[in-house]
Amino acid sequence: NAGVTQTPKFQVLKTGQSMTLQCAQDMNHEYMSWYRQDPGMGLRLIHYSVGAGITDQGEVPNGYNVSRSTTEDFPLRLLSAAPSQTSVYFCASRRQRVAGVTDTQYFGPGTRLTVL
Amino acid sequence: GQQVMQIPQYQHVQEGEDFTTYCNSSTTLSNIQWYKQRPGGHPVFLIQLVKSGEVKKQKRLTFQFGEAKKNSSLHITATQTTDVGTYFCARYNFNKFYFGSGTKLNVKP
Repeated sequence: NAGVTQTPKFQVLKTGQSMTLQCAQDMNHEYMSWYRQDPGMGLRLIHYSVGAGITDQGEVPNGYNVSRSTTEDFPLRLLSAAPSQTSVYFCASRRQRVAGVTDTQYFGPGTRLTVL
Repeated sequence: GQQVMQIPQYQHVQEGEDFTTYCNSSTTLSNIQWYKQRPGGHPVFLIQLVKSGEVKKQKRLTFQFGEAKKNSSLHITATQTTDVGTYFCARYNFNKFYFGSGTKLNVKP
């Protein structure tokens, strides 16, 4: 089990460029999500998905798109990068909620993105 | 709103001293989770609390959920240098997790 994997680990973009951050999990988890982490602000939810073909917005969705065509993959697209999107991005997955079962989230190693 | 407030923001302790971080909400929580993030690493799930007044222990770590389910705490007894990192609480509501801003713990040997 590789768990949750993310690529790339580091990325530098110029303002206005677009790119896709990749996330994959091999635990057959229904729920996947993307967070950004900025200094002193904890993690903020960008988008999430409760299964293939189903996505929804989190706290800070503007400037980001997601899709979920398979259970395993949940890519995050930056449409036109801005310096305000400089952050560390984490992907996470868990089983969809089952009564009485702990909602453990497993996080990937993160992507450190700088937008110049 | 949905946020959870976490204090303190930073804590510096001497190895062997105790450490406590607090998580507070203005509304009742259905559950609270705690995570640890080592410097340069990713968040790692520690525990979930669900019941009013619940207390759970993991070796030197003690987790509590308030009677009113509006606050929670994480207490570490006799800190070690391996405890260094940032501790986050998170609430879960309608498929969304809301994280506190974290308490960064530094332990001096």
